[in-house]
Amino acid sequence: DAGVIQSPRHEVTEMGQEVTLRCKPISGHDYLFWYRQTMMRGLELLIYFNNNVPIDDSGMPEDRFSAKMPNASFSTLKIQPSEPRDSAVYFCASSSRDHWNEQFFGPGTRLTVL
Amino acid sequence: AQSVTQLDSQVPVFEEAPVELRCNYSSSVSVYLFWYVQYPNQGLQLLLKYLSGSTLVESINGFEAEFNKSQTSFHLRKPSVHISDTAEYFCAGRNAGNNRKLIWGLGTSLAVNP
Repeated sequence: DAGVIQSPRHEVTEMGQEVTLRCKPISGHDYLFWYRQTMMRGLELLIYFNNNVPIDDSGMPEDRFSAKMPNASFSTLKIQPSEPRDSAVYFCASSSRDHWNEQFFGPGTRLTVL
Repeated sequence: AQSVTQLDSQVPVFEEAPVELRCNYSSSVSVYLFWYVQYPNQGLQLLLKYLSGSTLVESINGFEAEFNKSQTSFHLRKPSVHISDTAEYFCAGRNAGNNRKLIWGLGTSLAVNP
């Protein structure tokens, strides 16, 4: 299995632009998590899905952030408009119901907003 | 409040020396505990976990952690570290139940020097 796939790996954009981050979870996994990692705040859970349905989005910072999971093999995290303070590494992770105690992380997307 | 505290942000150590990375948790988050490792420019990987049973758990690469309920700790240890152990280490915990949300520590950067 290829593991969790994220794209792009690096994104540089200007303030005010829309940013879309993409994630393909491991096939057969029914939980998907979006995290943000910064030096100041560490690893923060933004939102997670179960069977494509958002379960907990309490970590989404504000209305500029939105996440979707239209099917079991694809999810997006969108920031519109982007701001410099959104600069971070964004991770996607997935897990399965049968092996619930391990989350498998993707390589991350490093976002820089100028 | 639920919390996981990693007491050291950075731990420098010489190769072949022993190391301990400290983690304390609040009693409200104590049921399941995890250590994840993040190598440079990669996503996180599960290193070891405590779910129930024996309080001493081990990883395949020589790390171990002991669940200590009286001290609310889950410290990570290795008797002899290698250069390749240089990485960021994250302690995490969660309660029983359907919520899959992990509570994360801020991470400890382990730097193994020759």
